[in-house]
Amino acid sequence: GAVVSQHPSWVICKSGTSVKIECRSLDFQATTMFWYRQFPKQSLMLMATSNEGSKATYEQGVEKDKFLINHASLTLSTLTVTSAHPEDSSFYICSAAGLGLYEQYFGPGTRLTVT
Amino acid sequence: QKEVEQNSGPLSVPEGAIASLNCTYSDRGSQSFFWYRQYSGKSPELIMFIYSNGDKEDGRFTAQLNKASQYVSLLIRDSQPSDSATYLCAVSGGGGSNYKLTFGKGTLLTVNP
Repeated sequence: GAVVSQHPSWVICKSGTSVKIECRSLDFQATTMFWYRQFPKQSLMLMATSNEGSKATYEQGVEKDKFLINHASLTLSTLTVTSAHPEDSSFYICSAAGLGLYEQYFGPGTRLTVT
Repeated sequence: QKEVEQNSGPLSVPEGAIASLNCTYSDRGSQSFFWYRQYSGKSPELIMFIYSNGDKEDGRFTAQLNKASQYVSLLIRDSQPSDSATYLCAVSGGGGSNYKLTFGKGTLLTVNP
């Protein structure tokens, strides 16, 4: 149980374009999903928290107009990186939590490279 | 600002030995504590969570929590080469954010055959 998928697993895009990443909870309903970013040799940094049917809550320093999050259903959240730049190249990981919220289960991650 | 501190390592142990991983946290109000394992290039995998003071055992893994000392540890018995990974300590709760995880930078563990 508690399986979370992400798509795509890796993507290369050109600077200035937008990229959408999907996060799905496969065997449970995720009331809350989280989006993290991890740069090489660093730990995970929370970018935003999304709840189904409401606006995402962004962490300080994360541009909400650049990183668009939509949590359309209890099993799907999407992160769109708009007007991507090389400095946005990173490992993006989502996690999902059920009603208890205490345990987060992570997706396999999406490696984004912006050229 | 919440902080979670871990020794970055690398921690090197021989196969079959006990690996001991430590973590301290700054927010005394933290309520939930997690250990994740992350292989290179992969996302974190939840190993254990602990909420109460004391020990919690699951197979070869034992988590230990001491809230008074703001310290949490993970023991891995009979270490195997497949345990070689980065171990992330994470805490949540306290400060009004009951569910947000704050991660340490991780400890790199190498188990030598």
